[in-house]
Amino acid sequence: EAGVAQSPRYKIIEKRQSVAFWCNPISGHATLYWYQQILGQGPKLLIQFQNNGVVDDSQLPKDRFSAERLKGVDSTLKIQPAKLEDSAVYLCASSYRGGGGTDTQYFGPGTRLTVL
Amino acid sequence: AQSVTQLGSHVSVSEGALVLLRCNYSSSVPPYLFWYVQYPNQGLQLLLKYTSAATLVKGINGFEAEFKKSETSFHLTKPSAHMSDAAEYFCAVSVNTGGFKTIFGAGTRLFVKA
Repeated sequence: EAGVAQSPRYKIIEKRQSVAFWCNPISGHATLYWYQQILGQGPKLLIQFQNNGVVDDSQLPKDRFSAERLKGVDSTLKIQPAKLEDSAVYLCASSYRGGGGTDTQYFGPGTRLTVL
Repeated sequence: AQSVTQLGSHVSVSEGALVLLRCNYSSSVPPYLFWYVQYPNQGLQLLLKYTSAATLVKGINGFEAEFKKSETSFHLTKPSAHMSDAAEYFCAVSVNTGGFKTIFGAGTRLFVKA
């Protein structure tokens, strides 16, 4: 079974530029998550989709971050414009069921973003 | 609101020694608890999870954790450390607050000395 795929793996941009990350979850997984992991901290949920609907985006900085999950499969996360404090690893994860409490989340390798 | 505290950002043990990584949680409702491991330049991988069945949970790679409600703890242990166990470990709690949300701790980096 193929895992969660993410691209690119690394990205370096200057502040105020735009950037987009792509995620392909495990086939058949209904729930998709985007996390931000700042160096030295645990992952923080940015947005959670169930199929192509948003379940939770309470911690997504909506003035600069946006995400979509077209057709309930792939997802893109965009930052526009980027700030220095956006430097982090962006992790995508997916789970089989509808985001229930016991769901195991399967994580991709992440995209390391550096904003200069 | 629920939260997770991992005691010790870094833990160092000798190969063959006991591994103990501490996790305490705060939740007003019965929680589900997880331990994930992250190897360098990789995503997180589930080690084990507590789902309100047995309080002693066994996971992969010889790890286990015990849910202690009275102490609000879910510490991770392994009897004998191996060099390959060197990684970052995250404790997480998932509770139903009108929809399940998973909160991760800050992580504990485990170093294993030869």
